[in-house]
Amino acid sequence: DAKTTQPTSMDCAEGRAANLPCNHSTISGNEYVYWYRQIHSQGPQYIIHGLKNNETNEMASLIITEDRKSSTLILPHATLRDTAVYYCIVRVAAVYSGGGADGLTFGKGTHLIIQP
Amino acid sequence: DSGVTQTPKHLITATGQRVTLRCSPRSGDLSVYWYQQSLDQGLQFLIQYYNGEERAKGNILERFSAQQFPDLHSELNLSSLELGDSALYFCASSVELAGVYEQYFGPGTRLTVT
Repeated sequence: DAKTTQPTSMDCAEGRAANLPCNHSTISGNEYVYWYRQIHSQGPQYIIHGLKNNETNEMASLIITEDRKSSTLILPHATLRDTAVYYCIVRVAAVYSGGGADGLTFGKGTHLIIQP
Repeated sequence: DSGVTQTPKHLITATGQRVTLRCSPRSGDLSVYWYQQSLDQGLQFLIQYYNGEERAKGNILERFSAQQFPDLHSELNLSSLELGDSALYFCASSVELAGVYEQYFGPGTRLTVT
């Protein structure tokens, strides 16, 4: 799986958009970008994933650059409950269904602190 | 609530002992993953089971073992415990979605070895 680089920590004001960058310059064509977050000592929570198109769901938006070497996770209206460690993970999709694939490789992530 | 359950929530035991952690995946999920999170190592993948069979191994010690039962729940067995095994242990489950899938994590079991 491709290596990712994220800032160690970021601050954002409550109510503002939080933009979390991730660099994955060695990503290959069959690798997806996934984002998870972990609120203090809770189990990690899936947020969103994408291949090359921008994606949006009820939690966030994912913007992937055209060359796919970097991406940005956007939390449109951050709340205090969004304070967490955010992990950007790049991994290949399972090439077959019905078999699964191995575990996620978590780096150190970005500690996002939402300020009141 | 992810739908993944883990028991117990907390476990305190002594060095040299053996413990069993239990995980029930989300309804319909066939894959179960185990992860360890310690302060110095971060979140590390240990092992994956799919429909009762071991599918992938990560940084799992030989003192640790796991299994997945016919009802799809899984157990992680940790033996000859050492102080360094103190950590949060997470279970996750997933369903296949044309090869692209997300993992849903349980609330974890906090193991303290004294």
